[in-house]
Amino acid sequence: GQNIDQPTEMTATEGAIVQINCTYQTSGFNGLFWYQQHAGEAPTFLSYNVLDGLEEKGRFSSFLSRSKGYSYLLLKELQMKDSASYLCAVRDQTTSGTYKYIFGTGTRLKVLA
Amino acid sequence: GAVVSQHPSWVICKSGTSVKIECRSLDFQATTMFWYRQFPKQSLMLMATSNEGSKATYEQGVEKDKFLINHASLTLSTLTVTSAHPEDSSFYICSARMRLAGGSGANVLTFGAGSRLTVL
Repeated sequence: GQNIDQPTEMTATEGAIVQINCTYQTSGFNGLFWYQQHAGEAPTFLSYNVLDGLEEKGRFSSFLSRSKGYSYLLLKELQMKDSASYLCAVRDQTTSGTYKYIFGTGTRLKVLA
Repeated sequence: GAVVSQHPSWVICKSGTSVKIECRSLDFQATTMFWYRQFPKQSLMLMATSNEGSKATYEQGVEKDKFLINHASLTLSTLTVTSAHPEDSSFYICSARMRLAGGSGANVLTFGAGSRLTVL
């Protein structure tokens, strides 16, 4: 089956660094995505990892270890506008060769002044 | 950039009526679209994969006759909630795959703005 786990909530201070972890178990792993979702809005794409290692994009970085089924999203120089839910999603290839995108429960990040 | 347009944004209906939600890819062709459902403070639950010109693939536990999906063209997929009941009240979001520009070339999901359905 498929299983994606993230912490439910996290709190951090403006200007700080926060790491949001994600562990997953899928049978046909084909890439991991991080999305940001503000309340009442649709998710927006942040990052993508398919090979092991770190992908850096401005204040946001994402890491993947396929052998450990583990990823994290690192947010630096936190700003108040970063308060949102962060969704870890895995692209899973099915036995029929199609792809599905499965989302974790999401981590609600609250940035405090 | 790629835009997925979803309408309506909000809909309130009486119990027993049917509601249609449209999802359009505005500047690209989408052979596959995905429909998700989201309850308050919860993550996205995949309902079905919509394939242009063929039947949708539904996830386990999702009623095909309840949630009708039609993907008649490369730019339009529709979700019809039939005989809606209060428990169908939720946030419904469609998405389509878009290829990332640059080296990775990965297919990334681009989401519509979502449709909030309230059934009275």
